[in-house]
This record gives sequence, C-alpha cells and structure tokens, in this order.
Amino acid sequence: EAGVAQSPRYKIIEKRQSVAFWCNPISGHATLYWYQQILGQGPKLLIQFQNNGVVDDSQLPKDRFSAERLKGVDSTLKIQPAKLEDSAVYLCASSSGTGELINYGYTFGSGTRLTVV
Amino acid sequence: SQQGEEDPQALSIQEGENATMNCSYKTSINNLQWYRQNSGRGLVHLILIRSNEREKHSGRLRVTLDTSKKSSSLLITASRAADTASYFCATDAGNSGYALNFGKGTSLLVTP
Repeated sequence: EAGVAQSPRYKIIEKRQSVAFWCNPISGHATLYWYQQILGQGPKLLIQFQNNGVVDDSQLPKDRFSAERLKGVDSTLKIQPAKLEDSAVYLCASSSGTGELINYGYTFGSGTRLTVV
Repeated sequence: SQQGEEDPQALSIQEGENATMNCSYKTSINNLQWYRQNSGRGLVHLILIRSNEREKHSGRLRVTLDTSKKSSSLLITASRAADTASYFCATDAGNSGYALNFGKGTSLLVTP
C-alpha cells in the first residue's frame, strides 16, 4: 500500500511569513496526526483528527497554528506568522485504529523540514 | 507532553554485538511502541506490546514490558551497520484520543 505522503519536503521562510504543509494519509485510515519534532527531541503531538473532527489539539499553539482535514482525508497544517522557534520537522502520521483497537503502529510520512530565518 | 524517557541517550557498538535500550514512563498505558528513525527520515514502527504482555519478539528485536516498574526495554541482537538510527519509545496512555507520547530517543551507532 502507498505510504503517508507529505509535501513539501523542505521549506525555508523568513520569520513572520506564513507556511502550509500538506498530508495525504493511507487510504482508509480514519485517524490522522500532526507531530512537531525539534532537532534532538522526540515528536510532540500538535493535533489529532478522527475522520474530519478534531480529537485533541491541546498542544497546538492556536494563536499561530491551524489545521484542517477536509472530507476526512487530506489534511493541511498552517503556521501564520512563523517564529524562529517553529524551525522543526513536521510529521504527519495515520493509523487504522486507536486505543484497544490498535494492532499496528502509526505510519509516518517523511516529514517537512521547516527552517525559519 | 513527553512521557517516555529513553536510556541511554546515545549508544555506540560494533557490528555483531547486541544493543539494549531502555524506556521509562510515568502513567498507566494501553500499549507501548518502539519506532526507528533514520537521519532525516520519518519514523518506522518496529513493534507494539500491550499492557498485558510481558515480552514480544520480532526478528532480531526483543521487547520486554514491566508495568509494575513502568519500564520497557528493546534488545537488538546481532546488530548491523544498517541498524544505525534513533530509536524512540512511545506510549498510548489512553488519554484523550489515545495519541502516542514519544520520548527523546536513543541514538544508536553501529560501526563495522
């Protein structure tokens, strides 16, 4: 099966500019996640969708970050305006189940490496 | 918030040796998963162990889970240079949405 697709692969922007990332999960996966991974650290959850509804966005900096998942398939994550500390890899993942229903791990995309200068 | 803590932060071994990484966590979990990340790439799922399991094997990987100590270990036997990567444990704590919480990872270097 095809993996999780993300684009762009790399992005360099100046602070205060806006940027958007796109993710296409594995077909049939109802749950989609956006993670932020700062260099040298583990991924941190930003937002979780179940179909097109938000399940958890408690760690999303809502003053500058927004995300949507139209029609329960593709998703976009936007940052506006960007700050220097937003430099990180943004990872999208999808899974077929959650909690006790999960039998397999998440499938991650290759990520988008964002550099804010 | 990051719940898992891997130990050691970095590990360097020679090909053929075994590599052991440990993970500690803070709250009750539904399951614990291990992932590998090669430099500049996404994470790859290695193995999932449920809270009612104590040990699991997959090829050269062996994972143990001790829920009384809130800890897990990942053993890679007969390591290869291709095993060089960062390894993360991730816990499903059953909180809102069941999203995984990742630790900071162990960086493994396997030299020929």
